[in-house]
Amino acid sequence: GAVVSQHPSWVICKSGTSVKIECRSLDFQATTMFWYRQFPKQSLMLMATSNEGSKATYEQGVEKDKFLINHASLTLSTLTVTSAHPEDSSFYICSATSGLADTGELFFGEGSRLTVL
Amino acid sequence: GQNIDQPTEMTATEGAIVQINCTYQTSGFNGLFWYQQHAGEAPTFLSYNVLDGLEEKGRFSSFLSRSKGYSYLLLKELQMKDSASYLCAPMDSNYQLIWGAGTKLIIKP
Repeated sequence: GAVVSQHPSWVICKSGTSVKIECRSLDFQATTMFWYRQFPKQSLMLMATSNEGSKATYEQGVEKDKFLINHASLTLSTLTVTSAHPEDSSFYICSATSGLADTGELFFGEGSRLTVL
Repeated sequence: GQNIDQPTEMTATEGAIVQINCTYQTSGFNGLFWYQQHAGEAPTFLSYNVLDGLEEKGRFSSFLSRSKGYSYLLLKELQMKDSASYLCAPMDSNYQLIWGAGTKLIIKP
């Protein structure tokens, strides 16, 4: 199947700093990328949907100024957690599709575990 | 509203068969996905059903009944590595996946 690469896998940062997570589709053009957050023993929570070249659509309750999403190309989307705080510590996962209506399949990155001290 | 109902946890024996049920309510429907998620890892795709009936893929099969808002994932010849959470995720009319909390499957020798 298609490959989505996420980097970094693990990141530890100090409170107040910003962290950038990259999500790349390695062998297909991702017209749409999704960013999720997952707290321990809970379901995936969709944070935002981004389409290449346009602004991301954020889910209710997700601060767009805190979680900056950029989808500048068909193979790369980035999530920047600005001024991170301990409550932002979580598992962040991206997924990508070339078109859900066509393929019916969503490919996930490996996930990035963020720990804010 | 939109919601997913799956058992929280199930236990089965190695070599046996287990069926994980899922009922759902969504605003519109564009198919249903099943994903497997091992602890600390991202989900991996198992199946996608958009028409009623059974889709078989190796040891795993998935069934859908759109009129009943019901799906199940059937796992045969269980192996220890099948211990994981199984997520049922229908897609609504906006092509958004609706995620439940998943079913934690524990396989015992």
